[in-house]
Amino acid sequence: DQQVKQNSPSLSVQEGRISILNCDYTNSMFDYFLWYKKYPAEGPTFLISISSIKDKNEDGRFTVFLNKSAKHLSLHIVPSQPGDSAVYFCAASLNYGGSQGNLIFGKGTKLSVKP
Amino acid sequence: GAGVSQSPRYKVAKRGQDVALRCDPISGHVSLFWYQQALGQGPEFLTYFQNEAQLDKSGLPSDRFFAERPEGSVSTLKIQRTQQEDSAVYLCASSLGTGLWKGETQYFGPGTRLLVL
Repeated sequence: DQQVKQNSPSLSVQEGRISILNCDYTNSMFDYFLWYKKYPAEGPTFLISISSIKDKNEDGRFTVFLNKSAKHLSLHIVPSQPGDSAVYFCAASLNYGGSQGNLIFGKGTKLSVKP
Repeated sequence: GAGVSQSPRYKVAKRGQDVALRCDPISGHVSLFWYQQALGQGPEFLTYFQNEAQLDKSGLPSDRFFAERPEGSVSTLKIQRTQQEDSAVYLCASSLGTGLWKGETQYFGPGTRLLVL
């Protein structure tokens, strides 16, 4: 039973436009949410995170929005660039029951930004 | 080195063979995590070390999987009597302090791709 879900396996966007990647979760005890970016044959690279006590975090072209009541978060990339083409993983962590902060990942969304 | 390194990058094993996968975390990082990523899936947690102590091994799929970090730096994930379902990318990650719940980032290595024939 997946606790973190990314329902869109792929997304294609034109360069310069906005990319919106979505993520849903089921466990209301999650306290941190993160987005990782992964290129082929490389490990995931941290992109941006948000604490469960916030609803928005912005870092340059990347903004993450958290809607706790809907158990939904999204990553906005504006403007999208061809170099953003990668697989994006949504991940969550929780701090209870002895958890040491291991991440729970979604299956990923492959973003393709076309020139 | 600047980042997390893993070796070998690729490993082909015959079913029943034992394998050992190595992770060199970022120097000084206290926390070390192992994840397993099957094809088309996201990484799944296997085990966690704080220095040399293995504090969580709840994600290890069977007793054929064993991990150690004897001196609190380099870690080895060992899989005994490999099975075809063990084929996956094994990712190692490290973080500076004692857990992500304090807001720390996990830095991932490139992974070891294991193929069991």
